[in-house]
Amino acid sequence: EVQLVESGGGLVQPGGSLRLSCAASGFTFSNYWMIWVRQAPGKGLEWMANIKEDGTEKYYVDSVKGRFTISRDNAENSLSLQMNSLRAEDTAVYYCARLLSGYSYGDAFDIWGQGTMVTVSS
Amino acid sequence: DTQMTQSPSSLSASVGDRVTITCRASHSITTYLNWYQQKPGKAPKLLIYAVSSLQSGVPSRFSGSGSGTDFTLTISSLQPEDFATYYCQQSKFTPQTFGQGTKVEV
Repeated sequence: EVQLVESGGGLVQPGGSLRLSCAASGFTFSNYWMIWVRQAPGKGLEWMANIKEDGTEKYYVDSVKGRFTISRDNAENSLSLQMNSLRAEDTAVYYCARLLSGYSYGDAFDIWGQGTMVTVSS
Repeated sequence: DTQMTQSPSSLSASVGDRVTITCRASHSITTYLNWYQQKPGKAPKLLIYAVSSLQSGVPSRFSGSGSGTDFTLTISSLQPEDFATYYCQQSKFTPQTFGQGTKVEV
């Protein structure tokens, strides 16, 4: 079964750090771009970051540049999001997802994890 | 950034109704337009990719159309399990942006 499972969420104080993980199974992880998307409580979806199949290209939304780092370990079939200098506005459910790259696929996000909640509060 | 504007933001419908949701991009995104369904407390689910291609396992009552800047998601005959929030999303430009969502209610 193709599956993504996030972990690592929790309660953290403003200015603190947290590392999210996403374990992939059921597909050849190293063949796919991967992404992180978040959703603040009661709000819409926000794309956060992309990482290329081999990890050589990474892209971020402006609001997290310099604070968040996306990475992957293809040997471990694992995706990570290191989050530093956390703010209250980073409070959200964080999803990892697989990206179907290419014109024919519209670079759609076809497989999603269940999400992990991050709460930034004192 | 590419702004994605969905309309309406919410709608009330009944089982069996034909439902149409529109999505407008602030500039041309060619065919890099995708649609997702999200139910409360659940992860989004891909319905339609590249404007009009139906994701595997998605019922054929869902369809997508459009090009350039204007796109449409249609549910031909609304079923009880279709009450959810729907998001369009563009992947042509970074940041890859979503519409604000359309909540389909009873």
